[in-house]
Amino acid sequence: LAKTTQPISMDSYEGQEVNITCSHNNIATNDYITWYQQFPSQGPRFIIQGYKTKVTNEVASLFIPADRKSSTLSLPRVSLSDTAVYYCLVGDNRDSSASKIIFGSGTRLSIRP
Amino acid sequence: DVKVTQSSRYLVKRTGEKVFLECVQDMDHENMFWYRQDPGLGLRLIYFSYDVKMKEKGDIPEGYSVSREKKERFSLILESASTNQTSMYLCASRASGAGHLTRGYTFGSGTRLTVV
Repeated sequence: LAKTTQPISMDSYEGQEVNITCSHNNIATNDYITWYQQFPSQGPRFIIQGYKTKVTNEVASLFIPADRKSSTLSLPRVSLSDTAVYYCLVGDNRDSSASKIIFGSGTRLSIRP
Repeated sequence: DVKVTQSSRYLVKRTGEKVFLECVQDMDHENMFWYRQDPGLGLRLIYFSYDVKMKEKGDIPEGYSVSREKKERFSLILESASTNQTSMYLCASRASGAGHLTRGYTFGSGTRLTVV
């Protein structure tokens, strides 16, 4: 099972770029890296997914080095509304076995004015 | 546009009651999941289902059962509620299929269950 390790919490200020790094040393060849965002009293929602190099969408960028043993979620110019818990997941999305995908405790990001 | 709907946002039940948590998805997904979320423990998988009438235990199935009679509906059952089952319960669904890369899980808004 590809377990992930990420910081428990991070603080930043409005307008700053925030980078959250996730370690996944035993990532498998078919595994993808997916990040979710969770606001209080809501279910997690998909942010971004990647396999290697760099992926960018309207919300964030995901940087994955060549060895794929870590990944970095980058949130440009954060605002107060980006305060949430961010989860890094590693798993084969083509596989129907949910037990291979583990949600850790996530990173609690707090944005200050 | 809500795609995964959980029937209750808040629920208060008494110890020993049988509790049903309902989840419906409208995306025709094969896979459905029930998680519970507790402070400091993240999301823990209780049960999941990859097809109608099929179910598999997750990491913490004790004290729970599930039912999936129709593809769009996945029910979590607490046979005899206890105070240690007070938690946030999250339902999710996901498409699957060989060679089909999904965007991962779609979650419901959660049910906060309190057992007194």
